[in-house]
Amino acid sequence: EAGVTQFPSHSVIEKGQTVTLRCDPISGHDNLYWYRRVMGKEIKFLLHFVKESKQDESGMPNNRFLAERTGGTYSTLKVQPAELEDSGVYFCASRSTKGVSEQYFGPGTRLTVT
Amino acid sequence: SQELEQSPQSLIVQEGKNLTINCTSSKTLYGLYWYKQKYGEGLIFLMMLQKGGEEKSHEKITAKLDEKKQQSSLHITASQPSHAGIYLCGAVGGEYSKIIFGSGTRLSIRP
Repeated sequence: EAGVTQFPSHSVIEKGQTVTLRCDPISGHDNLYWYRRVMGKEIKFLLHFVKESKQDESGMPNNRFLAERTGGTYSTLKVQPAELEDSGVYFCASRSTKGVSEQYFGPGTRLTVT
Repeated sequence: SQELEQSPQSLIVQEGKNLTINCTSSKTLYGLYWYKQKYGEGLIFLMMLQKGGEEKSHEKITAKLDEKKQQSSLHITASQPSHAGIYLCGAVGGEYSKIIFGSGTRLSIRP
């Protein structure tokens, strides 16, 4: 069974540019989460999808961040325009709806805004 | 809001020695996860604890949740180089809710 995959693994962009991160969850997992770790801080929750619906987006820092999950499969997280403080590692996780289960994490996308 | 405090922040242990990492929550936990991260990799699930007094083991790693469900410990017996990495505890407030992570403990194993 394939795990959670994320693309790209690294991205370096200039301030003001746009970047789109992609996450492919484990097949059949309805729950998809985005998290990020900025330098020196804890991993913080961004938002949670159940299928294609946003269940909880309380962690989204501002309206420069837009997450979508069309068709309830893969998800994208767009940052537009990117700011220096957006640099960090963005993680995606997925979990099954059935019972209490762990969240499976992807390898993360390291975003550097210069 | 719930906060998790991990201690120590970093740890260097001689190979073969035992070690313990602690995680304390500001509120009663619904569930407590332990994850491990190696550089450039995602978080690897280790264990989840839900019941007060629960204890789980996998290979040489044992995790416990206290009766009040506010403190957890992760114990590694006879540490090996493969145990090196960042250990993270994470709290969940409900069955499908987000994870609130601690700041992590960086473990290094000295040969």
